[in-house]
Amino acid sequence: QSVLTQPPSASGTPGQRVTISCSGSSSNIGSHYVHWYQQLPGTAPKLLIYMNNQRPSGVPDRFSGSRSGTSASLAISGLRSEDEADYYCAAWDDSLTGHVVFGGGTKLTVL
Amino acid sequence: QVQLQESGPGVVRPSETLSLTCTVSGDSIRSFYWSWIRQPPGKGLEWIGYISYSGSTNYNPSLKSRVTISVDTSTNQFSLKMTSVTAADTAVYYCARDLGASGYFDYRGQGTLVTVSS
Repeated sequence: QSVLTQPPSASGTPGQRVTISCSGSSSNIGSHYVHWYQQLPGTAPKLLIYMNNQRPSGVPDRFSGSRSGTSASLAISGLRSEDEADYYCAAWDDSLTGHVVFGGGTKLTVL
Repeated sequence: QVQLQESGPGVVRPSETLSLTCTVSGDSIRSFYWSWIRQPPGKGLEWIGYISYSGSTNYNPSLKSRVTISVDTSTNQFSLKMTSVTAADTAVYYCARDLGASGYFDYRGQGTLVTVSS
């Protein structure tokens, strides 16, 4: 059971806009930045969005992030076949001595 | 360009100690935070812990009793030791740089599969 809750799967057709949610609590998303990772099949996870809504150099602007209260979302517009991957959210959690927590991951399928 | 490379045994026997090393190039290990993350086959990501630029550590509460992360600034490496391993510790282990001790991993290694088996 992950501290951050993501839907296990999402899907869309090429060109569509898809959103993936990440739900947490006041001890994590509610008070800390959210970061998103994309993991293509057989590869290491790659930073996609940092500090809620910032894109690293090289990440297309089709990818965007947002945070509101204790939830965050990743949006992908103009969906492409190469976006088919697993997506994870991450944040710091203040509980106990503090630690990084991940969502369980969302497998995105491009139909 | 920052690069990280994990190294260590691919197989560890149950009840023994898993030891991995991450070699960092392109940045000094005396800056930022350096984490270990793992991913069991077919499952999600789990943060193991970090060591900071000052040498302080922080661990996942669920693993804290079995994990030690240390740093060797002379070789620009940091290491993971996990004791009393079981089959549940079989995973791909990644090392990564965390810019703010917040889960903001901007660089990571390619990962190394560690299988716990007799």
